[in-house]
Amino acid sequence: ETGVTQSPTHLIKTRGQQVTLRCSSQSGHNTVSWYQQALGQGPQFIFQYYREEENGRGNFPPRFSGLQFPNYSSELNVNALELDDSALYLCASSLGQDRLKNIQYFGAGTRLSVL
Amino acid sequence: SQKIEQNSEALNIQEGKTATLTCNYTNYSPAYLQWYRQDPGRGPVFLLLIRENEKEKRKERLKVTFDTTLKQSLFHITASQPADSATYLCALGNNDMRFGAGTRLTVKP
Repeated sequence: ETGVTQSPTHLIKTRGQQVTLRCSSQSGHNTVSWYQQALGQGPQFIFQYYREEENGRGNFPPRFSGLQFPNYSSELNVNALELDDSALYLCASSLGQDRLKNIQYFGAGTRLSVL
Repeated sequence: SQKIEQNSEALNIQEGKTATLTCNYTNYSPAYLQWYRQDPGRGPVFLLLIRENEKEKRKERLKVTFDTTLKQSLFHITASQPADSATYLCALGNNDMRFGAGTRLTVKP
């Protein structure tokens, strides 16, 4: 077990709604990244937070937003949900920015279904 | 555009054989490359990291090679076991880790 916990484990929403996913980082990790994983695909990078600031963003629209808190826990918010947002959302924490510290420790993910 | 390609969607091998998985990338100049294992319904788990100046890295039955000229990494599992059945992902990047689509390995008894 990595020590990264995500909640909820499953979620069902309807198109147009908003959703908040939560992540608790591994102790001692100050960096958190969020990924979207569609069935049969690899994780797609959404964004990364380092010490409460966004520190890199993938090719996702602004309706995907996030927060990192002083205790390094994090939230992913998605507004105006679309059917294509249905996926496994993964949170990963890491020690920092140094190459050797960028090993990702993943949670088990939140399975989001948009109907 | 940047691409990471794992050239086999699925690989089936017999127990005891060596599994070899390939990761090719384009338009990247990575300082290092990582390999992860993902089991169904779970998040990926880190296995190995290899730096650009390392040709080969080993950990127990796992071996990774990294050829920055060919822009390719090979991942080997020797003496494979049914418990090695999983999806294996390669990844590279810095503060924006990019993953390949993965190769689903099945080891048959």
